[in-house]
Amino acid sequence: EADIYQTPRYLVIGTGKKITLECSQTMGHDKMYWYQQDPGMELHLIHYSYGVNSTEKGDLSSESTVSRIRTEHFPLTLESARPSHTSQYLCASSEGVGLLGNEKLFFGSGTQLSVL
Amino acid sequence: DQQVKQNSPSLSVQEGRISILNCDYTNSMFDYFLWYKKYPAEGPTFLISISSIKDKNEDGRFTVFLNKSAKHLSLHIVPSQPGDSAVYFCAASGNTNAGKSTFGDGTTLTVKP
Repeated sequence: EADIYQTPRYLVIGTGKKITLECSQTMGHDKMYWYQQDPGMELHLIHYSYGVNSTEKGDLSSESTVSRIRTEHFPLTLESARPSHTSQYLCASSEGVGLLGNEKLFFGSGTQLSVL
Repeated sequence: DQQVKQNSPSLSVQEGRISILNCDYTNSMFDYFLWYKKYPAEGPTFLISISSIKDKNEDGRFTVFLNKSAKHLSLHIVPSQPGDSAVYFCAASGNTNAGKSTFGDGTTLTVKP
């Protein structure tokens, strides 16, 4: 199984603060993803990356940004947190190469973000 | 427009009985389908998958059935165990969206002892 780690697990923060959610994987996967999920709702893809220096916006518009400077690291940053950003953020990776290929995702434990 | 739908938000079954979770999709270009299991405050974990060239895939107590003409798939858990209580997400992907997965809303399964 892939090892993929997210920190922090829980974060409570005030409006206007800048935050970075960390995600690291040790399996050397090229593809990494960020999903946002609220209770009873589907997982929404907000960012993805097919490798170093590759980042794309997902299907759900998000005010967050991501970077992919190293294969194993895919942090997500919110420059100014708002209560509407309160959600669970899930990082995932997969071992596919290139644009094609369907494969399973390995998820981290998630970060539950609450913005007051 | 949601392309993957799980119309039952919740399902409750008795331990030892069969659990059947359903999923419908609208995009005929999807050709790979997956089920994930999610416990509260944790990330989803992969359970089982099926390619569109097959209509059934089995792994222990878990079987996934695919009906392409109806654009419908189902997950059967037999026998159900209390540890199976979790949220189950159906996901679909295809080469037309570069393999990215589209998820349903999830079904919360409760298995009563």
